[in-house]
Amino acid sequence: GAVVSQHPSRVICKSGTSVKIECRSLDFQATTMFWYRQFPKKSLMLMATSNEGSKATYEQGVEKDKFLINHASLTLSTLTVTSAHPEDSSFYICSARPYANTYEQYFGPGTRLTVT
Amino acid sequence: QKEVEQNSGPLSVPEGAIASLNCTYSDRGSQSFFWYRQYSGKSPELIMSIYSNGDKEDGRFTAQLNKASQYVSLLIRDSQPSDSATYLCAVNGGGSYIPTFGRGTSLIVHP
Repeated sequence: GAVVSQHPSRVICKSGTSVKIECRSLDFQATTMFWYRQFPKKSLMLMATSNEGSKATYEQGVEKDKFLINHASLTLSTLTVTSAHPEDSSFYICSARPYANTYEQYFGPGTRLTVT
Repeated sequence: QKEVEQNSGPLSVPEGAIASLNCTYSDRGSQSFFWYRQYSGKSPELIMSIYSNGDKEDGRFTAQLNKASQYVSLLIRDSQPSDSATYLCAVNGGGSYIPTFGRGTSLIVHP
């Protein structure tokens, strides 16, 4: 149980275009999902917390107009990187909290974004 | 500022030995503690959670929590080369569902 999927696993896009990444909880409903990014050999950086049916809460320094997050249902959250630039190239990982009374998180497999 | 500290390593142990990974945290109100394993190029995988003082064992893994000293550790018995990965410590403060992650400790188990 507690399986989280992400799509796509890898994407290469041209500078200036937008990319959408999907995060799905496959066998549970997730009221809360998290979006992280990770640079090579660096720690996880929380970008935003996504709550179903409400606006995402962004961490300090994360541009909400650039990283659009939509949590339209209890099993799906999307992250759209708008007007991507090479510095947005990173490993983007979502996670979901399956149980309301615990703080365990389960991570998706991640999406490696390369902006050329 | 809530902080979670881990030695970045690498920690190198021979196959079959016990690997000991440590984590300290600053928020005394923390209530939930987690260990994640992350292989290179992959996303983190939850391997242990612990909520109360003492030891919690799961197979070759033992998590140890000491709230008075504000540390949590992970012991890996009979270490295998497949255990080579980065181990992330995560801590949830009281009332918050947003965890604070440490930078991770790189573990290398050599044959």
